[in-house]
Amino acid sequence: EAQVTQNPRYLITVTGKKLTVTCSQNMNHEYMSWYRQDPGLGLRQIYYSMNVEVTDKGDVPEGYKVSRKEKRNFPLILESPSPNQTSLYFCASSINRGTDTQYFGPGTRLTVL
Amino acid sequence: GENVEQHPSTLSVQEGDSAVIKCTYSDSASNYFPWYKQELGKRPQLIIDIRSNVGEKKDQRIAVTLNKTAKHFSLHITETQPEDSAVYFCAATYGAQKLVFGQGTRLTINP
Repeated sequence: EAQVTQNPRYLITVTGKKLTVTCSQNMNHEYMSWYRQDPGLGLRQIYYSMNVEVTDKGDVPEGYKVSRKEKRNFPLILESPSPNQTSLYFCASSINRGTDTQYFGPGTRLTVL
Repeated sequence: GENVEQHPSTLSVQEGDSAVIKCTYSDSASNYFPWYKQELGKRPQLIIDIRSNVGEKKDQRIAVTLNKTAKHFSLHITETQPEDSAVYFCAATYGAQKLVFGQGTRLTINP
């Protein structure tokens, strides 16, 4: 089944404790991205990647890192999480570009205490 | 800057009536405008999109219109049904790679 998966789905952590949210797609998509969803703010793009080893900042990259060592995986890294990073995070992928249909993962609800 | 404004933030309509959600964008070079639907507790899913060389697109009860001069686009849902209740997001591309979303509209269909 073609899909985008994320892990973990739920995470409660404490300020400053490094964490990684994994994202994987099995559709051989070139483009992958991370969004955070906050009430009243919609979906805001954190980082995106056009291909292996090619990444760029979205609208809200501060406090986040990403890597794209393999085509199928695009992990989101929070080196030192803070409470303002408490949010619902979605990974998405598309065939080629941002102008193609985005396929979203199931979401990761992160709480930073 | 890159911005997409979406209105209204909440919308309540009677079942069978029409619903309209409007978005404006800031960059005249934007050329792709998708709409995503997010049901409660679920992931966003594409329901319809339009490109800048087209003024209107229709898919059954859903239509999208684009006014490039005014830099706004709208989602129209006719004959609304309870399963249309969800949060709807518009988006616009900036360049070929960056997708900027609106703030979302929570649509409630009242039986």
